[in-house]
Amino acid sequence: GEDVEQSLFLSVREGDSSVINCTYTDSSSTYLYWYKQEPGAGLQLLTYIFSNMDMKQDQRLTVLLNKKDKHLSLRIADTQTGDSAIYFCAESIDGGSQGNLIFGKGTKLSVKP
Amino acid sequence: SQTIHQWPATLVQPVGSPLSLECTVEGTSNPNLYWYRQAAGRGLQLLFYSVGIGQISSEVPQNLSASRPQDRQFILSSKKLLLSDSGFYLCAWLDRHSYNEQFFGPGTRLTVL
Repeated sequence: GEDVEQSLFLSVREGDSSVINCTYTDSSSTYLYWYKQEPGAGLQLLTYIFSNMDMKQDQRLTVLLNKKDKHLSLRIADTQTGDSAIYFCAESIDGGSQGNLIFGKGTKLSVKP
Repeated sequence: SQTIHQWPATLVQPVGSPLSLECTVEGTSNPNLYWYRQAAGRGLQLLFYSVGIGQISSEVPQNLSASRPQDRQFILSSKKLLLSDSGFYLCAWLDRHSYNEQFFGPGTRLTVL
């Protein structure tokens, strides 16, 4: 079945770059997403990438997609303490027809001042 | 603009008691609606989704049920809670006019004692 894997923890110093990695299994995924969850809150979409793209940049965020290896990464440049949160990778399944997503377990990013 | 509400925000219930969590969406019509559970160490698990009034799909067998009595209302229920039902319950709706982005509610923290 479909599965999304990501490491559980990442710790960086303020000002450094953070790279969160994810692997997925559904080759028919239309979109791949990165969601952010702050403590005690729901998830918010950070960014997404369409499956025919290799890279997407949005201010401090860079998403890289390697479709051959089914590998997705999120790079946060100049990481700030406000970036501390849990980051979820998600893939659309069923070709996106129902809008259903499979989420990874989330990577907890800790930013040390 | 669209908003999504969940209540209650927190709930402490004894084992064997019933459960009713409510989710409502404003500012959109005929959305896909989703119930997720987030348990420690297990990431985000899709429990139910609905593509319309009275239409419920269950993703995993469990002690819970869902109903959609109105277009923008989604209810999660249980007749008898188990300890394993504890977790953070998130409701989401799907924007099909975008890139299948799911918008999440603030969540309900359920503790079963």
